[in-house]
Amino acid sequence: GNSVTQMEGPVTLSEEAFLTINCTYTATGYPSLFWYVQYPGEGLQLLLKATKADDKGSNKGFEATYRKETTSFHLEKGSVQVSDSAVYFCALRAFFGNEKLTFGTGTRLTIIP
Amino acid sequence: EPEVTQTPSHQVTQMGQEVILRCVPISNHLYFYWYRQILGQKVEFLVSFYNNEISEKSEIFDDQFSVERPDGSNFTLKIRSTKLEDSAMYFCASSERVQFFGPGTRLTVL
Repeated sequence: GNSVTQMEGPVTLSEEAFLTINCTYTATGYPSLFWYVQYPGEGLQLLLKATKADDKGSNKGFEATYRKETTSFHLEKGSVQVSDSAVYFCALRAFFGNEKLTFGTGTRLTIIP
Repeated sequence: EPEVTQTPSHQVTQMGQEVILRCVPISNHLYFYWYRQILGQKVEFLVSFYNNEISEKSEIFDDQFSVERPDGSNFTLKIRSTKLEDSAMYFCASSERVQFFGPGTRLTVL
């Protein structure tokens, strides 16, 4: 079945540091890939997505590129802020548009001033 | 901006009691989902719902769970006889290609 493996946390960085959170997946066919973010006390918000190989999703300075050859979708940001502190979830959805999401375990990110 | 809403935000119940968690999906969405997140663990799929019937369910979604769309706006998750291990955050989502999540209901079973 489908699965998502995410970098173990927690991750603590200083403000303005470079961020990478690794995500790899196992899936049949051509899944769509997502990053969701969960701020303290809130629900899941879609951060970015990519629906086919070599697509780059981007939002709020975050980027991730769909790499089919390495089955990866790593999240990056060039300069993190304190407000980026949250839990980040990588997820995939099977090819057909409205199927369930399969999530990774989540990575807790803390940014210190 | 349209959003998914959920009530209540926190529900405390005694083991063996029935609970109903409520969700109002985004109005033009046709696909609805429930997920749960046990504290500190990953978000797990429970069930998906389309055209007034379950389209997929996980092995977690056993006979004690049921879903319903009682009117044109609400989407509910019922747990018939709660267990301690049902304590979790329950998220509703709706979709027209991309899933949008509600803020969650924290269920505590004592």
